[in-house]
Amino acid sequence: AQKITQTQPGMFVQEKEAVTLDCTYDTSDPSYGLFWYKQPSSGEMIFLIYQGSYDQQNATEGRYSLNFQKARKSANLVISASQLGDSAMYFCAMREPSNQAGTALIFGKGTTLSVSS
Amino acid sequence: DTEVTQTPKHLVMGMTNKKSLKCEQHMGHRAMYWYKQKAKKPPELMFVYSYEKLSINESVPSRFSPECPNSSLLNLHLHALQPEDSALYLCASSYRYGGSGNTIYFGEGSWLTVV
Repeated sequence: AQKITQTQPGMFVQEKEAVTLDCTYDTSDPSYGLFWYKQPSSGEMIFLIYQGSYDQQNATEGRYSLNFQKARKSANLVISASQLGDSAMYFCAMREPSNQAGTALIFGKGTTLSVSS
Repeated sequence: DTEVTQTPKHLVMGMTNKKSLKCEQHMGHRAMYWYKQKAKKPPELMFVYSYEKLSINESVPSRFSPECPNSSLLNLHLHALQPEDSALYLCASSYRYGGSGNTIYFGEGSWLTVV
């Protein structure tokens, strides 16, 4: 079963608009971490934001916020005021401490975001 | 700027060559990782080192040989590769191995082409 699902292969947004990238996850472990990474065409995988399963508040980092809905098992990334430099592939990922292989990251398939002027 | 540095950025090698990819971090992290990423796919875990010992080998062919000389350095030795091994190789590190809250930080990647 897919542990991380990103249903949007591609998203298009205009500069200065907000955009939401969807991510749902599946785990039976009560302790887990959710991450979002950005990967421009240059290849570097850039860490954006983290949400722990026990965190009461949604994580925010500058223009990035994570809309965490635990009961629905969703962890959507919201980018406010999009910029041209936001054009990239975005990966949602999860870590589960009790799964040996999952002590590294389990990635979704990614969403390609294109920002136009 | 990333605090995980990888060299070289680009590498072209023949199928009979021996080459190495290098990775360095100075964040005091004790876990280091190699991932392989094909175009438009998520990264796939290859190896995990924890406290300089190999903890996970995800059934990677022996033509890939990892090495962790010290807590800051991670190498990936390449020998007799196949064209299908052409990919982006990402090095990463985290404070420690395991735990749901340890963020994994990646380097810029090494683009490998096998001809």
